[in-house]
Amino acid sequence: GAGVSQTPSNKVTEKGKYVELRCDPISGHTALYWYRQSLGQGPEFLIYFQGTGAADDSGLPNDRFFAVRPEGSVSTLKIQRTERGDSAVYLCASSLYETGELFFGEGSRLTVL
Amino acid sequence: GENVEQHPSTLSVQEGDSAVIKCTYSDSASNYFPWYKQELGKGPQLIIDIRSNVGEKKDQRIAVTLNKTAKHFSLHITETQPEDSAVYFCAASRGSGNTGKLIFGQGTTLQVKP
Repeated sequence: GAGVSQTPSNKVTEKGKYVELRCDPISGHTALYWYRQSLGQGPEFLIYFQGTGAADDSGLPNDRFFAVRPEGSVSTLKIQRTERGDSAVYLCASSLYETGELFFGEGSRLTVL
Repeated sequence: GENVEQHPSTLSVQEGDSAVIKCTYSDSASNYFPWYKQELGKGPQLIIDIRSNVGEKKDQRIAVTLNKTAKHFSLHITETQPEDSAVYFCAASRGSGNTGKLIFGQGTTLQVKP
C-alpha cells in the first residue's frame, strides 16, 4: 500500500506499562508528525520530525512521551508508565515537505486499563 | 494558548441540501487552513484547503471561504449526498510556514438523510 501505515491498530495495556507505537510513512516523505485524538475531539499535535531530527516536540504532554525516527523513515512513539489518561487514538501523518499536504494513517487506538 | 473554535458540533441535512460549517481561529500568524473528513475508524483525509492569500476556493461541490480580518473560515458543501456523512474538522496552521503543525477544531458530525 502507498499510504501511511501504523501498528498496532489496537493496543490494550495496564496502567504503568511501557508502550511503543510504530509509524511507517509514505516513501520519500521527509516530514512526519504524531497527533493524539481523544474521543470526540480533534487531533492534537504532539511532535514533528524533519528527516531524523525532532524539529518540534512542543506538543508532547510530559517526559513520559518520547519519539524517535533514527533513519529518517519509520518512527516510533514511546510511552512510559502509561496512565489511564493516555487512552486515545495516536495518529501519524507524513508529507513530502513541510509545506505539503498531510496524509494521515488510520491510527493506533491505545487503551490503558 | 492558540485555539480553533468550530460550529456546529452536529449538523443534520436532507440529501440535496447545503451544509455550512464555521470556524474561528486565534493565531494571527496562521496562514494555512485545511478541512479534513474523518470516517469511523479512519484517519482524517484532506478535502480542501486554503491559504491566507486567497479569499475563496472551490472544488466541485465543496468550497471554503476565508476572512483573515475577522479570523474565520467556513466550509460549504452543496448538493449533499449520504456518502458525505462523516465528521469534519477544520484546522489552522500553528504560525506560518509549516502546514503540518495544525490546531484542529472540535469537529462537526454531519448526517445527510436520504
